[in-house]
Amino acid sequence: KAGVTQTPRYLIKTRGQQVTLSCSPISGHRSVSWYQQTPGQGLQFLFEYFSETQRNKGNFPGRFSGRQFSNSRSEMNVSTLELGDSALYLCASSTGLAGGQETQYFGPGTRLLVL
Amino acid sequence: GENVEQHPSTLSVQEGDSAVIKCTYSDSASNYFPWYKQELGKRPQLIIDIRSNVGEKKDQRIAVTLNKTAKHFSLHITETQPEDSAVYFCAAIGSTNAGKSTFGDGTTLTVKP
Repeated sequence: KAGVTQTPRYLIKTRGQQVTLSCSPISGHRSVSWYQQTPGQGLQFLFEYFSETQRNKGNFPGRFSGRQFSNSRSEMNVSTLELGDSALYLCASSTGLAGGQETQYFGPGTRLLVL
Repeated sequence: GENVEQHPSTLSVQEGDSAVIKCTYSDSASNYFPWYKQELGKRPQLIIDIRSNVGEKKDQRIAVTLNKTAKHFSLHITETQPEDSAVYFCAAIGSTNAGKSTFGDGTTLTVKP
């Protein structure tokens, strides 16, 4: 099976712009979670989508949003970018059916730099 | 919400020695505890996991123990090798928060040849 893929791999944006990141899960996986990884804050949960519905949400401002399509692909959008949004954004997929007790498989990440 | 603390933040050992990383969690509803290894510039990869109905799990040189009463779990790596050098993250997930892993801050393990 193909692994989790993310596009683009690298992005450079300026403050105030918006950005959309994409994640394609492993075939058959219906849950996609998004995480922000920074040196100072570690891996922080953004949100999780399952069958096109947001099922869990982390403590990020409303500038961070996401959606999931019927083929389980997910997008994450960040509006009005701030310098502090510079980070590695990772998505992870799983079947979403094991009541939480299952492995999440990570994509390679999108590295976002905000200037 | 869930909070996971991980210690130590850095760990340096000689090749062949053992390494132990410890994590504590706060939410008694958490029931799944994976460990990830992240090499520089790469994605986190699962190395071992344990479910709440098990106290210990072993896979070759890697083992994980779980103490539900004390709410802590540990990663044990024996006979360390230079290729074990990486950042290791513990995580906790609850049945009511499927897809939402709460991670520890990571441990940078360096294995000196």
